[in-house]
Amino acid sequence: SQTIHQWPATLVQPVGSPLSLECTVEGTSNPNLYWYRQAAGRGLQLLFYSVGIGQISSEVPQNLSASRPQDRQFILSSKKLLLSDSGFYLCACHGTLHTEAFFGQGTRLTVV
Amino acid sequence: KQEVTQIPAALSVPEGENLVLNCSFTDSAIYNLQWFRQDPGKGLTSLLLIQSSQREQTSGRLNASLDKSSGRSTLYIAASQPGDSATYLCAVRLPSDSWGKFQFGAGTQVVVTP
Repeated sequence: SQTIHQWPATLVQPVGSPLSLECTVEGTSNPNLYWYRQAAGRGLQLLFYSVGIGQISSEVPQNLSASRPQDRQFILSSKKLLLSDSGFYLCACHGTLHTEAFFGQGTRLTVV
Repeated sequence: KQEVTQIPAALSVPEGENLVLNCSFTDSAIYNLQWFRQDPGKGLTSLLLIQSSQREQTSGRLNASLDKSSGRSTLYIAASQPGDSATYLCAVRLPSDSWGKFQFGAGTQVVVTP
């Protein structure tokens, strides 16, 4: 089965600072990759998804961007963080539409 | 637009009781439905995946049913244990979009008391 590595696990950043969260996947090739955000007490919001290297689609307009420089690497970035960017960020992947989706352990981001 | 609802939002049961968690969705056109478990501050752990053509899936003490026509799935956990305390989320995969996006419910927070 697939394994998803996310780092860092926690992050405290000042407003206006840049952000880079990384996600790498093992155990599969050419996965569909996703970035979700989970706000406290709320459901998961899909931010970005990617079906291949360099192919990124955004679900909602926001202060964040994503990139996929390699087949099994997905990066979430921001040039200048806002307080509203605080939350729990999760990377997910699955192979085909009929297979299970797997999630990483998440990054808790607090913008101060 | 697909909406996924999980009721109740929270549930507390004594150890040994069976757990019944509900998930409903508004559009029956789905690829599949997946149940996840989330421990506080952690990522999601996959529990069961049910394809749209299946009626149920079982894994150990867990059994999930799917009734696509009525837009419902139920997760049963037999003989609950304190270690089953977590938030349980269901998610449907949308067929109208080839990217395989999920629509998640808000989850049911379960506490199993010793």
